[in-house]
Amino acid sequence: DARVTQTPRHKVTEMGQEVTMRCQPILGHNTVFWYRQTMMQGLELLAYFRNRAPLDDSGMPKDRFSAEMPDATLATLKIQPSEPRDSAVYFCASGLPRDYGYTFGSGTRLTVV
Amino acid sequence: DQQVKQNSPSLSVQEGRISILNCDYTNSMFDYFLWYKKYPAEGPTFLISISSIKDKNEDGRFTVFLNKSAKHLSLHIVPSQPGDSAVYFCAAGLGNSGYALNFGKGTSLLVTP
Repeated sequence: DARVTQTPRHKVTEMGQEVTMRCQPILGHNTVFWYRQTMMQGLELLAYFRNRAPLDDSGMPKDRFSAEMPDATLATLKIQPSEPRDSAVYFCASGLPRDYGYTFGSGTRLTVV
Repeated sequence: DQQVKQNSPSLSVQEGRISILNCDYTNSMFDYFLWYKKYPAEGPTFLISISSIKDKNEDGRFTVFLNKSAKHLSLHIVPSQPGDSAVYFCAAGLGNSGYALNFGKGTSLLVTP
């Protein structure tokens, strides 16, 4: 089965440190999404790309978060500097044009202490 | 502002009975609605969807109903099985927004033997 791969699965870091999360979308999927899951907000859309170009990143705190797709096989989400309130599970998902039923990765559980 | 709301954080149902999960939305422009299922330590997986031109879609034990005038959708699981125990997320999307999804906060379903 094709799958979206996220690394690392777990990350514990100290406040102020830089965190980079990586995602390998399913081959052939040209739309990539980053979501964050917290108890308070549920699943929030942070940013998404089509054909590696950012379509919308309005859900991200711009001063500390950045998302990129260096190539079609890699999407990254970076937090610098990290804060305790960033603790959450970050999901990457990929899909095809006009496809709502996209595929999620298993997530990166981030804990900032 | 939460555009998709799941007002029941949890639901407990006996095996063999019907599970009904509810979802409300505020944006009348949404044209596609989905349910995702999530097990612990995994990403959400697509379960069933419905477009705004329909009022019902069925897939095996799962049926989604859409009431556009009430801005309400529901997921029926009949009969419920212990393996259905998971968190269910309702989601809605706008075709002209790049097919990004707005998610509810989820309802945790427990099916007891």
